[in-house]
Amino acid sequence: KQEVTQIPAALSVPEGENLVLNCSFTDSAIYNLQWFRQDPGKGLTSLLLIQSSQREQTSGRLNASLDKSSGRSTLYIAASQPGDSATYLCAVYGNTGKLIFGQGTTLQVKP
Amino acid sequence: DAGITQSPRHKVTETGTPVTLRCHQTENHRYMYWYRQDPGHGLRLIHYSYGVKDTDKGEVSDGYSVSRSKTEDFLLTLESATSSQTSVYFCATWTGHNNSPLHFGNGTRLTVT
Repeated sequence: KQEVTQIPAALSVPEGENLVLNCSFTDSAIYNLQWFRQDPGKGLTSLLLIQSSQREQTSGRLNASLDKSSGRSTLYIAASQPGDSATYLCAVYGNTGKLIFGQGTTLQVKP
Repeated sequence: DAGITQSPRHKVTETGTPVTLRCHQTENHRYMYWYRQDPGHGLRLIHYSYGVKDTDKGEVSDGYSVSRSKTEDFLLTLESATSSQTSVYFCATWTGHNNSPLHFGNGTRLTVT
């Protein structure tokens, strides 16, 4: 059974810092890995999707990497801003045909 | 996002009553999903649909049923609501292509008293 773990559960950093969020999964037989952002009281917004054949994806200040063999992904946020404060979730899509989510990392960026 | 509308946005109901939540999409995505989100459990899949009248169970399907009579609508019914079903419910859609992410609605907050 696929399990997805995100560490840390919460993170507080000063504005301007670069930071890394971690995601690990137990079954490496995945088709893709997705990173989402969730603001309080809102739905999830897709940030990045990495297909199983890819090693990384970039969007603006965000960079996500995937190491399928070790069951790990990282989301790197450069030059963090208060507007980056949110919960970040990773999810893997595998041969179950379902997207399995981690429990998320809640990020607070202090001005 | 992907034109997903969930209704109602908030609902309070009593234990034992039936409740139906609606998800409407305008993007003609093939797949539709119902998740619930609870503190300490994250997002858990309740049911999903891979086409009109084609549905399957997720990991927490007990006490829930779904129907999809049209591509654009996916209904989630709590047959007899219980306090353990108090949660935030999210609908999501997907094109079915591996390079395409899921798109989520803004959720329905359900309280069962």
